[in-house]
Amino acid sequence: EIVMTQSPATLSVSPGGRVTLSCRASQTISSNLAWYQQRPGQAPRLLIYGASTRATGVPARFSGSGYGTEFTLTIAGLQSEDFAVYYCQFYNKWPLTFGQGTKVEIK
Amino acid sequence: QVQLAESGGGVVQPGGSLRLSCAGSGFTFSTYGMNWVRQAPGKGLECVTSISYDGSNQNYADSVRGRFTVSRDNSKNMLYLQMNSLRPEDTAVYYCAKSVSSSWFINYFDSWGQGTLVTVSS
Repeated sequence: EIVMTQSPATLSVSPGGRVTLSCRASQTISSNLAWYQQRPGQAPRLLIYGASTRATGVPARFSGSGYGTEFTLTIAGLQSEDFAVYYCQFYNKWPLTFGQGTKVEIK
Repeated sequence: QVQLAESGGGVVQPGGSLRLSCAGSGFTFSTYGMNWVRQAPGKGLECVTSISYDGSNQNYADSVRGRFTVSRDNSKNMLYLQMNSLRPEDTAVYYCAKSVSSSWFINYFDSWGQGTLVTVSS
């Protein structure tokens, strides 16, 4: 099983700021990584797939990068609706695994 | 637009059974893989099971294998999760999630339902 590890667990950021979230895979996964956003009380929403491709309707302030075992999600110019929990997911082979999540909170 | 609507959650005693349903609309249901993803209270996401577009292949997390069974009825655009021998640790919101394609190797989720809460408690 490929284990996905996200860091940090929590990030405190001021509105308008920039954050970088990290996700590490226990084995190389090429670019088979997705990122999701989950706002309180809501279902997750797909943000990024293929490590760096934004899903339909996702603002350009969200960007993903990485390959192999190290991945990042960057959010530039944080807006109020961006304060949420973010999960990475490996999706190429069963078991499909998620990271434990990074909470982006208002500083 | 794509819509997924789960139903069937509730409170059940340990050892009991429950059947969840998910109604899909707004897309060609029979051409996409489907999944159940759960989230225990205050915890992260766990993919419990996936089923191929035609129902011929299924995968299960170790935590539920042998107790849960996923199925689908493409004539009704419905996805199901039969949960037997339920344990307190199965308590979670269960989401129905649509795979982005029919491929077994490109299994990320582009649409999610709002979830249904399953509580296993005596």
